[in-house]
Amino acid sequence: EAGVTQFPSHSVIEKGQTVTLRCDPISGHDNLYWYRRVMGKEIKFLLHFVKESKQDESGMPNNRFLAERTGGTYSTLKVQPAELEDSGVYFCASSQELGGNTEAFFGQGTRLTVV
Amino acid sequence: AQSVTQLGSHVSVSEGALVLLRCNYSSSVPPYLFWYVQYPNQGLQLLLKYTSAATLVKGINGFEAEFKKSETSFHLTKPSAHMSDAAEYFCAVSPLSGGYNKLIFGAGTRLAVHP
Repeated sequence: EAGVTQFPSHSVIEKGQTVTLRCDPISGHDNLYWYRRVMGKEIKFLLHFVKESKQDESGMPNNRFLAERTGGTYSTLKVQPAELEDSGVYFCASSQELGGNTEAFFGQGTRLTVV
Repeated sequence: AQSVTQLGSHVSVSEGALVLLRCNYSSSVPPYLFWYVQYPNQGLQLLLKYTSAATLVKGINGFEAEFKKSETSFHLTKPSAHMSDAAEYFCAVSPLSGGYNKLIFGAGTRLAVHP
């Protein structure tokens, strides 16, 4: 069974450009999460989808970030326009069930560098 | 608000030596607690989790962690380090309530194992 896959693995863009990150969760997992790790700091929660609905987007930094999950399958996270402070590693995770003790399966992340 | 503190951003041990990675959490009630590991160029992988069933939790690859409520700690240990244990380790908490797995991570500890 395929794990959580993220694309691209690396992206280097200029300030002001747009970037779209993609996440394919494990098949059948209704819950999809985005996290971000800025250089050397904690991994921080961005948002949570249940199927196609945003359950919690309290961690989204600002309105330059837009996450979608059309059809409840894969998800995209678009940054427009990108700023220098958006650089970091963006992780996607998915889980089958709700519940605080449920294991979330993580992708390998997308390293975004804004120059 | 819940938070996680990992003491020591870098830990270096000799092969065969004890591994001790420290994690303290802040929470008004004991949360669910996790240790994740990230090997180079891979995603986060769950090592073990505490869900109130037992205070000593055994995980994969010989790791274990002990939940100590009085110390609000969940330190990760392994009796004998192996070269393959070199990775970055993350402690995380999840709220007992809330109904889903929104993880709050520590800043991570990078473990180096030398011959």
